[in-house]
Amino acid sequence: EDQVTQSPEALRLQEGESSSLNCSYTVSGLRGLFWYRQDPGKGPEFLFTLYSAGEEKEKERLKATLTKKESFLHITAPKPEDSATYLCAVQPPYLNQAGTALIFGKGTTLSVSS
Amino acid sequence: ETGVTQSPTHLIKTRGQQVTLRCSSQSGHNTVSWYQQALGQGPQFIFQYYREEENGRGNFPPRFSGLQFPNYSSELNVNALELDDSALYLCASSLDGNTEAFFGQGTRLTVV
Repeated sequence: EDQVTQSPEALRLQEGESSSLNCSYTVSGLRGLFWYRQDPGKGPEFLFTLYSAGEEKEKERLKATLTKKESFLHITAPKPEDSATYLCAVQPPYLNQAGTALIFGKGTTLSVSS
Repeated sequence: ETGVTQSPTHLIKTRGQQVTLRCSSQSGHNTVSWYQQALGQGPQFIFQYYREEENGRGNFPPRFSGLQFPNYSSELNVNALELDDSALYLCASSLDGNTEAFFGQGTRLTVV
């Protein structure tokens, strides 16, 4: 069964303390890997899409990387406003006819204190 | 450019009742997907609509049904509500399903 596993489940950081979140997946024929940020009671906010191993994307303090079996979301010098749940999702080719639906992990809840 | 909007934001229903949730897709987007997110879990794919036709379905029973209208807005209908249907229901829109999906703020459904 295809799965998306995120670790750790929760992460507490001090402001400025860099770290990485992990997303490992077992999906045949991956079409894309997505990172979203979700604040409590809100819908996920799109961050990045990665399509091939070796690809990297950056946005402010966040950098996403992709290998054949996992993705990392690196957070450099985080601030309290980076506190949220970060969701990883993969786009397998078979979940729907167009291959565009997403399988999500459970997320990593990040807390950054000042 | 307007984003994805969902209504209502919160809803309380009684077990056995029926509910309709609504979603207006982002301007220019023709694909709408619905997801169910239980507390502490990631979103789970319910189904997707592309140009008014269902374009795939996740592991949800037939009492979950949907519609997409000519303006690409969409409805999610759930019949015979069960307590386990309590969740945040998310709508996401995209163009041709091949670009990044943008989510609405969700509808929080509580079944009592």
